Amino acid sequence: DIQMTQSPSSLSASVGDRVTITCRASQAIRNDLGWYQQKPGKPPKRLIYAASSLQSGVPSRFSGSGSGTEFTLTISSLQPEDFATYYCLQHNSNPRTFGQGTKLEIK
Amino acid sequence: QVQLQESGPGLVKPSETLSLICTVSGASISDYYWSWIRQPPGKGLEWIGYISDSGRAKYNPSLESRVTISMDTSKNQLLLKLSFVTAADTALYFCAVSGGGPTDLWGQGTLVTVSS
Repeated sequence: DIQMTQSPSSLSASVGDRVTITCRASQAIRNDLGWYQQKPGKPPKRLIYAASSLQSGVPSRFSGSGSGTEFTLTISSLQPEDFATYYCLQHNSNPRTFGQGTKLEIK
Repeated sequence: QVQLQESGPGLVKPSETLSLICTVSGASISDYYWSWIRQPPGKGLEWIGYISDSGRAKYNPSLESRVTISMDTSKNQLLLKLSFVTAADTALYFCAVSGGGPTDLWGQGTLVTVSS
């Protein structure tokens, strides 16, 4: 199985901050990665697909980059509605695997 | 507008079989690859498996001996069966389309508790 190591596991930040979350894959996965936001009691919502493509309807303050084994999700200027848990998911090979999650909290 | 709705018994006894249905409206289940994903309370996400538009299924090896994913095209439904459940199978279960392409669709999830 491909292991997805996500960091940090939690993060405190303020509205307006720039935030970066990282996922490292245990082997190369090309750009077969998505980033998801989840709020309590809700299903995950994909923000980024194919590592760097913005999902339709997602604000442009979200961006993704990377290829191979290292990927980042960046939020350029945090908004109050962005406080949530974020996951990466690789779909390069089965089983598909998620990162452990990053809980983004208000400082 | 495409909608996914998971349904099934909220409580299953240990060693029994968990059976869930995902009813799809607004799209044909033959149009996409469909995944089942679960999330134990307070924990992260686990991919269970998917079924392709042609009905070919792939499973997480950690669950493969106990899981079956199928589709009922006449009802436009996806089916999940997980046998010999234990408390570790207690989770919120989601059906979803979320692969390599731009389509991202999720149901709201259904909570299944395994308890006697």
